[in-house]
Amino acid sequence: EVQLVESGGGLVKPGGSLRLSCAASGFTFNSHSMNWVRQAPGKGLEWVSSLDSSGSNKYYADSVKGRFTISRDNAKNSLYLQMNSLRAEDTAVYFCARELLSEEFDYWGQGTLVTVSS
Amino acid sequence: QSVLTQPPSVSAAPGQKVTISCSGSSSNIGNNYVSWYQQLPGTAPKLLIYENNKRPSGIPDRFSGSKSGTSVTLGITGLQTGDEADYYCGTWDTSLNAGVFGGGTKLTVL
Repeated sequence: EVQLVESGGGLVKPGGSLRLSCAASGFTFNSHSMNWVRQAPGKGLEWVSSLDSSGSNKYYADSVKGRFTISRDNAKNSLYLQMNSLRAEDTAVYFCARELLSEEFDYWGQGTLVTVSS
Repeated sequence: QSVLTQPPSVSAAPGQKVTISCSGSSSNIGNNYVSWYQQLPGTAPKLLIYENNKRPSGIPDRFSGSKSGTSVTLGITGLQTGDEADYYCGTWDTSLNAGVFGGGTKLTVL
């Protein structure tokens, strides 16, 4: 059974940093691109970042470019999102999602809440 | 303001059919595959349609997808109260070099 479990969310002050993790199981992790998608309270989905299976090609939404870094450890079946210079508008539930073929997400984690507030 | 445009809400009676539209441009829908997601309250999104019109295993054929030019449509027949959810379209935008979602459509089954 495919499982994605996010962790690392919490309350952080503006300007602070946080590192999210996504532990994957039940599939060949190093065969799939992985993504982070977020959802602010009461709002819609916002794509955040994508990383290919080898970890070579990274893509970011303009809203996080230069502040967030996506990475993966295929030996540990894990995906990460390093978030720096956090802003109030980064407050959201962050989901990790497996890419099926090309930008469609067939499995999602339960999400981890990041709250940026003083 | 989302790159992809969806109606904020749609509604229909149980057993009826509803369609949800999603419009974009040549840099996203026009030249890339589109997927649709269902998000029930308090849960993670679920993939309903991929590559414009394909259903993952386990998704009933009441759900269908179609594409024409720079727009796509999700169709749901035989509406059930359990279909009440938010629905999102998503794709890749070649100009932005980024993933994009529609703003979401809330389906109410009256």
